[in-house]
Amino acid sequence: GAVVSQHPSWVICKSGTSVKIECRSLDFQATTMFWYRQFPKQSLMLMATSNEGSKATYEQGVEKDKFLINHASLTLSTLTVTSAHPEDSSFYICSARQGAGTNEKLFFGSGTQLSVL
Amino acid sequence: RKEVEQDPGPFNVPEGATVAFNCTYSNSASQSFFWYRQDCRKEPKLLMSVYSSGNEDGRFTAQLNRASQYISLLIRDSKLSDSATYLCVVNEMGWGKLQFGAGTQVVVTP
Repeated sequence: GAVVSQHPSWVICKSGTSVKIECRSLDFQATTMFWYRQFPKQSLMLMATSNEGSKATYEQGVEKDKFLINHASLTLSTLTVTSAHPEDSSFYICSARQGAGTNEKLFFGSGTQLSVL
Repeated sequence: RKEVEQDPGPFNVPEGATVAFNCTYSNSASQSFFWYRQDCRKEPKLLMSVYSSGNEDGRFTAQLNRASQYISLLIRDSKLSDSATYLCVVNEMGWGKLQFGAGTQVVVTP
């Protein structure tokens, strides 16, 4: 199946620093990628939809200035958590859409565990 | 009301037994449905797509009931390795967005 690479796998940083997470589709072009956040024992929560060549679409309650998304190419989307604080500590996962309509499939990166001290 | 709802469980299942659970969705125009499996602290992995006529993949059977707007997953002959959280995912055509259920936890015990 299709492969989506996400890194880093884990990050520990001090409060106030910015963290960049990369999501790459390795063997297909993804015009749309998604970023999720998952707190312990909770479901994935969609943060934003990343569209290649255009601005990301953020879900209600997600601060676009805090979670910067860039999708400059068909195989790469990045999420930057700016001025991270302990409450931003979470498991962040990206996914990339392959295909369309009823043939659509979604493939996930391996996730990034962010711990802000 | 949530777009996609699942019983969080956990469903405690003896090894070798059968377990089944449902997922309801609110948008009647939804077209694509999937079951994903997620292990603790790992990324979700596609288990199977759900087709209108229902489909089976080994010990796993998925059904779609459009009239009542739910999909189901049945696991036969449960293995210890089936212990995971099963996520229901619904594609709302035209919205371009996938909706996730909160997941159903299954724990298979020896």
